[in-house]
Amino acid sequence: KNEVEQSPQNLTAQEGEFITINCSYSVGISALHWLQQHPGGGIVSLFMLSSGKKKHGRLIATINIQEKHSSLHITASHPRDSAVYICAVSWGPNTGNQFYFGTGTSLTVIP
Amino acid sequence: DTGVSQDPRHKITKRGQNVTFRCDPISEHNRLYWYRQTLGQGPEFLTYFQNEAQLEKSRLLSDRFSAERPKGSFSTLEIQRTEQGDSAMYLCASSLGQGYNSPLHFGNGTRLTVT
Repeated sequence: KNEVEQSPQNLTAQEGEFITINCSYSVGISALHWLQQHPGGGIVSLFMLSSGKKKHGRLIATINIQEKHSSLHITASHPRDSAVYICAVSWGPNTGNQFYFGTGTSLTVIP
Repeated sequence: DTGVSQDPRHKITKRGQNVTFRCDPISEHNRLYWYRQTLGQGPEFLTYFQNEAQLEKSRLLSDRFSAERPKGSFSTLEIQRTEQGDSAMYLCASSLGQGYNSPLHFGNGTRLTVT
């Protein structure tokens, strides 16, 4: 069983649509991370959050600690948003690896 | 740009050969992680360092794999007697402080193909 589950696995949207990607986890965490991976491998950290909500440009991340659930929203989606979005959770201190990753949501935004 | 850099970007090798990858983390970051990623999967933990100390190794890391971070700066990951199952993207990441409460900064990865 994977400690981090993402849905959907694949998502295709028309440009301009509002997009939601979900992440559920089964362990107590210190923080949840949303990452973006473009073709070719590079991974960029989008958000790290442990409660509430964060916003950066057209991206919004929310987390509900009690329900062990987080969502990543993209408003007014654009083809350049096409990427794999990965949810990861971390906990600590003194717990070694500290990060577990979901398998990612592959997003394609069509012009 | 002072992000995490990895070298080489791509490596093609024949089965049985040894390969070595290098990671240069962000200079002030004390934690350095190695992950392996196969197609359609999220990164899988291999090992991590706090400064020069290797604090944990995954069960995935067989005795053919070894990692070092001799001066607490750059790190190397060596795979001996490569197998086709070793083909994957090898990702390095670094973070500052305690790790669990700091963002991870990833390199662009080294894609290994074992023929």
